[in-house]
Amino acid sequence: AQKITQTQPGMFVQEKEAVTLDCTYDTSDPSYGLFWYKQPSSGEMIFLIYQGSYDQQNATEGRYSLNFQKARKSANLVISASQLGDSAMYFCAMREGRDSGYSTLTFGKGTMLLVSP
Amino acid sequence: NAGVTQTPKFQVLKTGQSMTLQCAQDMNHNSMYWYRQDPGMGLRLIYYSASEGTTDKGEVPNGYNVSRLNKREFSLRLESAAPSQTSVYFCASSEARASGTYEQYFGPGTRLTVT
Repeated sequence: AQKITQTQPGMFVQEKEAVTLDCTYDTSDPSYGLFWYKQPSSGEMIFLIYQGSYDQQNATEGRYSLNFQKARKSANLVISASQLGDSAMYFCAMREGRDSGYSTLTFGKGTMLLVSP
Repeated sequence: NAGVTQTPKFQVLKTGQSMTLQCAQDMNHNSMYWYRQDPGMGLRLIYYSASEGTTDKGEVPNGYNVSRLNKREFSLRLESAAPSQTSVYFCASSEARASGTYEQYFGPGTRLTVT
């Protein structure tokens, strides 16, 4: 079974609207972390936001927020007020196990987001 | 502060040739990683080094070797390149934050084509 599932190969949104990118995960470890990365057409990987399994509140970073539903094993990324520069591939990733000084990540296959004027 | 650097940016190899991808970070991070990215597959971990002097296999290690030369540098070697190794290779590094986040910082990638 896939550990990270991103069911939306592509999403379209109009500028200034909000969009939700879906991510579900599969782990039996009680300690884990969830990451979202952005990959624009230039190819670099840009860290956006992190949620730990024991964090009480949903993570937020500027226009990005993570809708973390532990019982459903979902960690959806919400982008508010979309901008043209948000057009990119978005990857959800998971770290499993206790914090041990490093983190190996398992990535989903990504969602391509296109923002139109 | 350059972050994570990778050389070369592009490379074309013939089947059976060998090469080493270089990676260096200037953030004094303990942990470093090599991933490959294939179309429609996301990123997959090849090898990682939790700290200087240690290396471990990831999800797809076959056909690759690594060397953690020092704390800054982590190289990936293809001994006998195969067309299946055509991919974009990313190096990353990480360090624990007080918050417990282990954000990985990525290099710009190396696009490798094996013909």
